[in-house]
Amino acid sequence: GNSVTQMEGPVTLSEEAFLTINCTYTATGYPSLFWYVQYPGEGLQLLLKATKADDKGSNKGFEATYRKETTSFHLEKGSVQVSDSAVYFCALGVIQGAQKLVFGQGTRLTINP
Amino acid sequence: ETGVTQSPTHLIKTRGQQVTLRCSSQSGHNTVSWYQQALGQGPQFIFQYYREEENGRGNFPPRFSGLQFPNYSSELNVNALELDDSALYLCASSLAARGNYGYTFGSGTRLTVV
Repeated sequence: GNSVTQMEGPVTLSEEAFLTINCTYTATGYPSLFWYVQYPGEGLQLLLKATKADDKGSNKGFEATYRKETTSFHLEKGSVQVSDSAVYFCALGVIQGAQKLVFGQGTRLTINP
Repeated sequence: ETGVTQSPTHLIKTRGQQVTLRCSSQSGHNTVSWYQQALGQGPQFIFQYYREEENGRGNFPPRFSGLQFPNYSSELNVNALELDDSALYLCASSLAARGNYGYTFGSGTRLTVV
């Protein structure tokens, strides 16, 4: 089946620290991979995506590379800000009748000034 | 360009009751998907509607049903509510195209079943 596993949170860092949130997946075929962010009281926003092996998605200083050999899509940022505090979800996109997203359980990130 | 609007934002229902949640799609989008997000968990796919027909369903019982209207707005109906139905329900609209995962999510409806 299709599933996503994220590193357990919560994660607390100081401002300007380096961030890594691990994500691994299990899927049949070649899914697209995504990172979504959820700020308090809001819906999900697409942060970045990659559609094939070795693609690198990037946005707002965040990056993730689609690694087929390790079935991973780890999220990284070189220098986090307080405004990056949110819940981050790794997801894969599959077509099973409908196009749908399969999400990980989420990682809560808190950045202290 | 308007985003996805969901109503109501919060709702409290009693076990056994029925509930209807509503979603207005982003302009230009013709597909709507519904997800259930339990507290502390990732969203889970309930179903998707395209051209007013359900074209895919997750692992949810038949008491979860939906509608899509000609203007692409949508409803999620849940009958015989159970305590475990308490969750944030997210609607996401998109433009149907193979491999296009350009979803726009609404802010959700927080349902509490007591």
